[in-house]
Amino acid sequence: EADIYQTPRYLVIGTGKKITLECSQTMGHDKMYWYQQDPGMELHLIHYSYGVNSTEKGDLSSESTVSRIRTEHFPLTLESARPSHTSQYLCASSEGGPQEDTQYFGPGTRLTVL
Amino acid sequence: RKEVEQDPGPFNVPEGATVAFNCTYSNSASQSFFWYRQDCRKEPKLLMSVYSSGNEDGRFTAQLNRASQYISLLIRDSKLSDSATYLCVVNKGYSTLTFGKGTMLLVSP
Repeated sequence: EADIYQTPRYLVIGTGKKITLECSQTMGHDKMYWYQQDPGMELHLIHYSYGVNSTEKGDLSSESTVSRIRTEHFPLTLESARPSHTSQYLCASSEGGPQEDTQYFGPGTRLTVL
Repeated sequence: RKEVEQDPGPFNVPEGATVAFNCTYSNSASQSFFWYRQDCRKEPKLLMSVYSSGNEDGRFTAQLNRASQYISLLIRDSKLSDSATYLCVVNKGYSTLTFGKGTMLLVSP
């Protein structure tokens, strides 16, 4: 089992609130990722990081922001939540390198914005 | 053309059946290929990596055809617990992956 954790697991919040979704891994992986997945749909990459102080935007445009101050921690922040942000957010990590692309996922945060 | 295409299914099979899923990908430069399994409302979990020579893990066999940009997954002797969505995954460079929408498998008694 992968040692990657996400909190909270479920979050119901009102429009306009600021939220931070936490993601931590204890595997020492350099690369970390955030995906968004709606029910019955594919995963879309919204942010990724190659290591400390590195962040990149993914394929799907997102109003969220991320930071990577420590190797093990990759939080995602929404400054002002809206109903369109309702989705499942999945965090993943990988060792990186051309032969080490395997990504391991956390259990996800299911976000509902009212 | 989508980067990774899969038949969404569902594939309804009885226990003990053999079932095969296919996947095509568009990026000829892709170097890493995987099958992940995702249960309803859960996170994806790695089922197996796919190697050029093909590889087997118990009841699961994966094949890669680079010339046709095609990946397959064969499940033998299906179990009820195999019911899930199977995601075809391809790397797109810089250690980022593209996930297919998945093929749903339902195994019935």
